[in-house]
Amino acid sequence: KAGVTQTPRYLIKTRGQQVTLSCSPISGHRSVSWYQQTPGQGLQFLFEYFSETQRNKGNFPGRFSGRQFSNSRSEMNVSTLELGDSALYLCASSLTGSATNEKLFFGSGTQLSVL
Amino acid sequence: KQEVTQIPAALSVPEGENLVLNCSFTDSAIYNLQWFRQDPGKGLTSLLLIQSSQREQTSGRLNASLDKSSGRSTLYIAASQPGDSATYLCATYNAGNMLTFGGGTRLMVKP
Repeated sequence: KAGVTQTPRYLIKTRGQQVTLSCSPISGHRSVSWYQQTPGQGLQFLFEYFSETQRNKGNFPGRFSGRQFSNSRSEMNVSTLELGDSALYLCASSLTGSATNEKLFFGSGTQLSVL
Repeated sequence: KQEVTQIPAALSVPEGENLVLNCSFTDSAIYNLQWFRQDPGKGLTSLLLIQSSQREQTSGRLNASLDKSSGRSTLYIAASQPGDSATYLCATYNAGNMLTFGGGTRLMVKP
């Protein structure tokens, strides 16, 4: 079956713009979580969605937001982009996101560069 | 707040060697611990998941152990191959349905 699909693969934006990233989970998976990866901070949790509801949120400013649709596809949005938002954004999916034996499946990520 | 540390940050070994990667965490109230592999510019691939009640998991040449009481996990790779070269990350799964990642160990296996 198809894996987790993230689009676009690469994105270049300028400061002050906004950006929307998309994630399509594995078919049947209802939990989608988002992570930011930078050389300085490593991998950090952004938020997690299940059945169109945000269940958990990491320690990021309100400029970072997301949503999940009824087909479990998810989008994240970053407004008023800053240079420090340049990162690889990864999404992961799992069946329910709450079982202790559930593996997470990651997409290849969207590489965002803010100039 | 959970903190996850991986030592060493980088490791270079000749092909065929057995090696151990280390992971330590501060909060033992975890649901599970997972080891991932990441190739440059790519996403993460789940290697092994150890539930909180388990002590170890094995998959092929990989063996991961978990000692919750001491806040430690190790990933043992037997008979390393150049194709094993990648960054290895450990992560704990805590309350809040979130993973807390270590900084990773960048492994280079030389032919």
